[in-house]
Amino acid sequence: GAGVSQSPSNKVTEKGKDVELRCDPISGHTALYWYRQSLGQGLEFLIYFQGNSAPDKSGLPSDRFSAERTGGSVSTLTIQRTQQEDSAVYLCASSRGADYTGELFFGEGSRLTVL
Amino acid sequence: AQSVTQLGSHVSVSEGALVLLRCNYSSSVPPYLFWYVQYPNQGLQLLLKYTSAATLVKGINGFEAEFKKSETSFHLTKPSAHMSDAAEYFCAVIIQGGKLIFGQGTELSVKP
Repeated sequence: GAGVSQSPSNKVTEKGKDVELRCDPISGHTALYWYRQSLGQGLEFLIYFQGNSAPDKSGLPSDRFSAERTGGSVSTLTIQRTQQEDSAVYLCASSRGADYTGELFFGEGSRLTVL
Repeated sequence: AQSVTQLGSHVSVSEGALVLLRCNYSSSVPPYLFWYVQYPNQGLQLLLKYTSAATLVKGINGFEAEFKKSETSFHLTKPSAHMSDAAEYFCAVIIQGGKLIFGQGTELSVKP
């Protein structure tokens, strides 16, 4: 597609429910990132996929968070047993590859509200 | 560990005044540094990047940043602020493995 696409754009859920957030990166981009943006917390790195390498999961805040990337393209971020502190905007970004000078292209984000 | 620190979570300037947003980095190797901007209700977009080619980097919308190794800084400037510059600005650094790490962000307000 023309840009990074994320869905849903807004999600309201009850505490304890599981949620899935989807990211469609730009076609041909081999690197994919997930970040979390909370008020006053800036952009928090969650996970990074690069090609067929094992993902860098060092930013996932707890074992309730997981992410996968199927076929080197679409990625799903799953949050199990959601808590109120999970409320945030979840941003996905992609880039061409292991080019350390490369630009990241961001989606519009998925706003999660946990009641 | 490599990281970036943005000084000031909020900066307010008058229209036409100089914009200066501060970013300091910590890195044991020459870093790749970036400034991203997030306009209200929009996604992040790249403003400019430093990749060791030239220390003064020019970006979009009249912004520029200067890499100063002696000060470990990469401050963002614009000579004359415009109302449309009101946004949140993020400094970022690529660390080992290609991961992009962001600073806490600085919200820029422009007063008429």
